[in-house]
Amino acid sequence: KQEVTQIPAALSVPEGENLVLNCSFTDSAIYNLQWFRQDPGKGLTSLLLIQSSQREQTSGRLNASLDKSSGRSTLYIAASQPGDSATYLCAVRPVSGGSNYKLTFGKGTLLTVNP
Amino acid sequence: EAQVTQNPRYLITVTGKKLTVTCSQNMNHEYMSWYRQDPGLGLRQIYYSMNVEVTDKGDVPEGYKVSRKEKRNFPLILESPSPNQTSLYFCASSLWGRGNEQFFGPGTRLTVL
Repeated sequence: KQEVTQIPAALSVPEGENLVLNCSFTDSAIYNLQWFRQDPGKGLTSLLLIQSSQREQTSGRLNASLDKSSGRSTLYIAASQPGDSATYLCAVRPVSGGSNYKLTFGKGTLLTVNP
Repeated sequence: EAQVTQNPRYLITVTGKKLTVTCSQNMNHEYMSWYRQDPGLGLRQIYYSMNVEVTDKGDVPEGYKVSRKEKRNFPLILESPSPNQTSLYFCASSLWGRGNEQFFGPGTRLTVL
């Protein structure tokens, strides 16, 4: 059974710092991995999608990497801003899901960027 | 604008009173799915649909029903809601194809008293 773990569960940094969020998954047989952002009590905003054949994806100040064989992904946020404060979730789409495109989610990292 | 919409966004109801949460997408996606999010448990899939008239159970289907009569709509039905169904619900959709991105709705916060 696929399990996704995100460490740390919470992170507090001063504005301007570069930071890395970690995601690990137990089964490397995945189609892709998505990083999401969730503001308190709100919906999920997709940040980056990495296909299993890719090593990284970039969008603005965000860079996500994927090492499928070791079951790891990182989300790098450059020059963090208070507006980046949110919970960041990673999710994988396992091959074992077949025609069910169910995403298996981690429990998230709560990021606080202090002014 | 391409999006997944849900209604209502917030709902407080009482035990046993049937309710429906609607989900609609305007991206012509074949695949749609419902999740619930609970503190400490994360997001868990309730039901999914691969296309019109094709639905199947996810991980936590008990107490829920769904239907897929039109491609764009995938309502979630609670025939007799109970307090343990108090949760934040998300609808998601994607194109058919294993590598495609999933898009999520804004969420529906349901409280069952």
